[in-house]
Amino acid sequence: DADVTQTPRNRITKTGKRIMLECSQTKGHDRMYWYRQDPGLGLRLIYYSFDVKDINKGEISDGYSVSRQAQAKFSLSLESAIPNQTALYFCATSDTDREAEAFFGQGTRLTVV
Amino acid sequence: QKEVEQDPGPLSVPEGAIVSLNCTYSNSAFQYFMWYRQYSRKGPELLMYTYSSGNKEDGRFTAQVDKSSKYISLFIRDSQPSDSATYLCAMSPRSTLTFGKGTMLLVSP
Repeated sequence: DADVTQTPRNRITKTGKRIMLECSQTKGHDRMYWYRQDPGLGLRLIYYSFDVKDINKGEISDGYSVSRQAQAKFSLSLESAIPNQTALYFCATSDTDREAEAFFGQGTRLTVV
Repeated sequence: QKEVEQDPGPLSVPEGAIVSLNCTYSNSAFQYFMWYRQYSRKGPELLMYTYSSGNKEDGRFTAQVDKSSKYISLFIRDSQPSDSATYLCAMSPRSTLTFGKGTMLLVSP
């Protein structure tokens, strides 16, 4: 089983719909992150959490929200999806002792039509 | 100017060639420097992790960091077709990462 698991792997949704992407990890790491990847733009940080009670905005948080339900679970929500949120989304984790060393999930390909 | 600049490629080389991948950056606060490899339809996987300036070698891979020039490199010796992937540089002052756009590498048999 993967250490960082994202669900769903693929999703097509309509404009205006609410959608949640889920991430769970078995690495025991405190820190969790959500990134999106777009062709030509690379990976950009959306939100991050250093522990269950800590949530921080990243570079591109507008239109997104997150919830850290437990140490091992971090979900990303799009309250009202729009087409320019079509992208590949990655969850990542890191350990406090080696905080810059991130481990990524397999990604969720989201298409908003 | 973007914080991290990386040529997107593609870079095409024959099997056995030495590959050089590079990134430049502008933020002097970056202390941690990473290279990730990403295969198509997969998540990035950490390849090399370096703190501050210097060289680090792991098998066929060597990472170099020159903080005075704000320049990092990844060298791949004896490149193999299985090395064909997108290589992402990433940097951090402490924990949150700033990525380059990635360089696509194609190694032909």
